[in-house]
Amino acid sequence: EAQVTQNPRYLITVTGKKLTVTCSQNMNHEYMSWYRQDPGLGLRQIYYSMNVEVTDKGDVPEGYKVSRKEKRNFPLILESPSPNQTSLYFCASSPIEGGRYEQYFGPGTRLTVT
Amino acid sequence: LAKTTQPISMDSYEGQEVNITCSHNNIATNDYITWYQQFPSQGPRFIIQGYKTKVTNEVASLFIPADRKSSTLSLPRVSLSDTAVYYCLVGLGAGSYQLTFGKGTKLSVIP
Repeated sequence: EAQVTQNPRYLITVTGKKLTVTCSQNMNHEYMSWYRQDPGLGLRQIYYSMNVEVTDKGDVPEGYKVSRKEKRNFPLILESPSPNQTSLYFCASSPIEGGRYEQYFGPGTRLTVT
Repeated sequence: LAKTTQPISMDSYEGQEVNITCSHNNIATNDYITWYQQFPSQGPRFIIQGYKTKVTNEVASLFIPADRKSSTLSLPRVSLSDTAVYYCLVGLGAGSYQLTFGKGTKLSVIP
């Protein structure tokens, strides 16, 4: 089954404790992206990746890191989480075909930083 | 930057046709227009995508005028299960692959 998986689905942590949220897709998509969603603010892009070893900043990259060492995986790293990073996070992947972006989204990771 | 503007919310009765319009005045020449549906606490789901004129699939139609500065998602005969937030998305084009969602339109279907 074609899918994007994220782990963990729920995470409660404390300020400053480094964490990683994993994202994996099995569709051989070139494009992968991370979003955060907060009430009233919609979906905001954190980082995206065009292919292996190619990443770039989205709208809200501060406080986050990403890496793309393999095509299928795109982990999101919070080196020193803070309470304002409490949010619902979505990973997505998409084929790239001209200007087309048909993104497939993961189920989401709900992060709480206390 | 090709940002989008949509109505914040809409109400509709079951069985009616719903049209949601999105404004994207600065859309780039090579950008496609994509619509997503999102239910609470779930990831967005692709509905339809188009470049110009009209596109239709089994769940929706997408109308894009010649100037491409707006687009309209049409949902025929909505049901209660269509209650969701609908997002219009356009790429930024010009070699940039950064994508910006608008705040979406919350559609409430009333029995």
